Amino acid sequence: AQSVAQPEDQVNVAEGNPLTVKCTYSVSGNPYLFWYVQYPNRGLQFLLKYITGDNLVKGSYGFEAEFNKSQTSFHLKKPSALVSDSALYFCAVRDSNYQLIWGAGTKLIIKP
Amino acid sequence: ETGVTQSPTHLIKTRGQQVTLRCSSQSGHNTVSWYQQALGQGPQFIFQYYREEENGRGNFPPRFSGLQFPNYSSELNVNALELDDSALYLCASSLWGNSPLHFGNGTRLTVT
Repeated sequence: AQSVAQPEDQVNVAEGNPLTVKCTYSVSGNPYLFWYVQYPNRGLQFLLKYITGDNLVKGSYGFEAEFNKSQTSFHLKKPSALVSDSALYFCAVRDSNYQLIWGAGTKLIIKP
Repeated sequence: ETGVTQSPTHLIKTRGQQVTLRCSSQSGHNTVSWYQQALGQGPQFIFQYYREEENGRGNFPPRFSGLQFPNYSSELNVNALELDDSALYLCASSLWGNSPLHFGNGTRLTVT
């Protein structure tokens, strides 16, 4: 069965420091992976996706993600965190029916 | 470019009642999907429509039903509401395939 795991419920980072939000996946076939962000009482916003090609994917708001096939991971990263990055982050993988399977989400808190 | 809009934003219903939630897709998008997001959890896939046909369904009972119209707007209908149906209902539109989902801000449904 295809699945996505986000092992951390919450990540705390000081402003200006690098951040990493972890995601691992389990799929049959080639993985198509996505990161979305959700601000309070809002829908989800697309950040970036990996379909094929370079393992380092660049996305919106300075975020990037590194695809690692051997570790079945797709961690979200940013070199320097901003307080405004504080939000809920979701990793998702596309299944064979073009539907997304979502992780449980990671709350990112950036402290000034 | 008009984004995804959902109505109403908030709704309070009584157990046993029926509810209809509406979604207007982003211009040019031919696929719409609906998700249920309980508080503190990730989105759970309800179903997906492509060109007015349901082409995928998650683990939800038949009292959850939907429609997609020729202009690609959509409805989610829930019959015989239960207390556990209280959640944020998200609509997302996209082009078929691996294109990113564009989410509305959701409808917050409370069942009392």
